[in-house]
Amino acid sequence: DAGVTQSPTHLIKTRGQQVTLRCSPISGHKSVSWYQQVLGQGPQFIFQYYEKEERGRGNFPDRFSARQFPNYSSELNVNALLLGDSALYLCASSYLAGFYNEQFFGPGTRLTVL
Amino acid sequence: QKEVEQDPGPLSVPEGAIVSLNCTYSNSAFQYFMWYRQYSRKGPELLMYTYSSGNKEDGRFTAQVDKSSKYISLFIRDSQPSDSATYLCAMRRETSGSRLTFGEGTQLTVNP
Repeated sequence: DAGVTQSPTHLIKTRGQQVTLRCSPISGHKSVSWYQQVLGQGPQFIFQYYEKEERGRGNFPDRFSARQFPNYSSELNVNALLLGDSALYLCASSYLAGFYNEQFFGPGTRLTVL
Repeated sequence: QKEVEQDPGPLSVPEGAIVSLNCTYSNSAFQYFMWYRQYSRKGPELLMYTYSSGNKEDGRFTAQVDKSSKYISLFIRDSQPSDSATYLCAMRRETSGSRLTFGEGTQLTVNP
């Protein structure tokens, strides 16, 4: 079975631009979470979606938004890009939203903002 | 102050050594404790999961949680060059859905 897939693999943008990152969860998984991992640091939670509804949001500005589609895939949008948005963006999927459900991470999208 | 503190290393050991990785945390509401391994340019991979206090062993890996001290550890026995990676501790509260709080990771190199 395919794991979590993310596209694109790499992306280069300039300050002020907008970017859309995509994630396809493992088949049957209904929950998708997004994390930002700046070089040399641990991942920071951005959003969780379950059954197309937002279930949690981390300490990120409103420039960050996301949505989940009926097929459980998800998009993360970032507007008005800043240099500090350069990071590896990770998507994780799990079957359910709460209790213990192992989260499986994708390979990430590496975003560089120039 | 960060909720989860982890020594970033780098840590370099010879093959066959016992490796000890540690994290401390400040939020007593954390109930689930995990260790992830992350190879360069890859997503994190779950190694060990522990609920509340106690020990858990899986092959060469042992995870320990001491909630009274707010301290968790991962031990790797008979370390191999293939264990060279960044190790991330992660935690979550009972009521936080799937939200994980990570340490900053410890970079480990096992030298043949």
